[in-house]
Amino acid sequence: AQSVAQPEDQVNVAEGNPLTVKCTYSVSGNPYLFWYVQYPNRGLQFLLKYITGDNLVKGSYGFEAEFNKSQTSFHLKKPSALVSDSALYFCAVRDSGNTPLVFGKGTRLSVIA
Amino acid sequence: EAQVTQNPRYLITVTGKKLTVTCSQNMNHEYMSWYRQDPGLGLRQIYYSMNVEVTDKGDVPEGYKVSRKEKRNFPLILESPSPNQTSLYFCASSLKGDNQPQHFGDGTRLSIL
Repeated sequence: AQSVAQPEDQVNVAEGNPLTVKCTYSVSGNPYLFWYVQYPNRGLQFLLKYITGDNLVKGSYGFEAEFNKSQTSFHLKKPSALVSDSALYFCAVRDSGNTPLVFGKGTRLSVIA
Repeated sequence: EAQVTQNPRYLITVTGKKLTVTCSQNMNHEYMSWYRQDPGLGLRQIYYSMNVEVTDKGDVPEGYKVSRKEKRNFPLILESPSPNQTSLYFCASSLKGDNQPQHFGDGTRLSIL
């Protein structure tokens, strides 16, 4: 069965600095990987996905993610953090073959002015 | 506007009193799903539906029922709610396919006393 881990409950970064939110996964086949963001009192919003192809995926709001097959990781990155990026971030993985989407426990990002 | 609509957004009720949380999407999506979000546990899937009249259990189906009589609607039914079902619930929908991102409603906060 597929699984995903977000090793950090909380990440703090100063505004203007680069940010990284970590995610590792486990699947038996080829992974479909997603990042979502959740703002207070809202549902999850899709940021980006990796299906196949380039290891660096670009998404919404200037976010990107790097797929590393050997390390089974899919870390979320942004070159310059904004205070408005402060939110809860979820990594999710799906194995091939109509399997359920499995979410990590989430990482709370705080960007400090 | 493309959206997933959940009702109610907030509900406080008592143990044993049947309740239904409605979910409707206007994107003609085949796939719909219910999740619960609890602190430290991330999102866990309750039930999902690949299409009309097709439903399957997720990771935590006990105490819940669903139905999919129409493509746009996917209600979540708690026949006899208990306090351990106090949680934040999300409905999501997507097109069919492993690489399709899910669209989430804004959530329903249930408190069972």
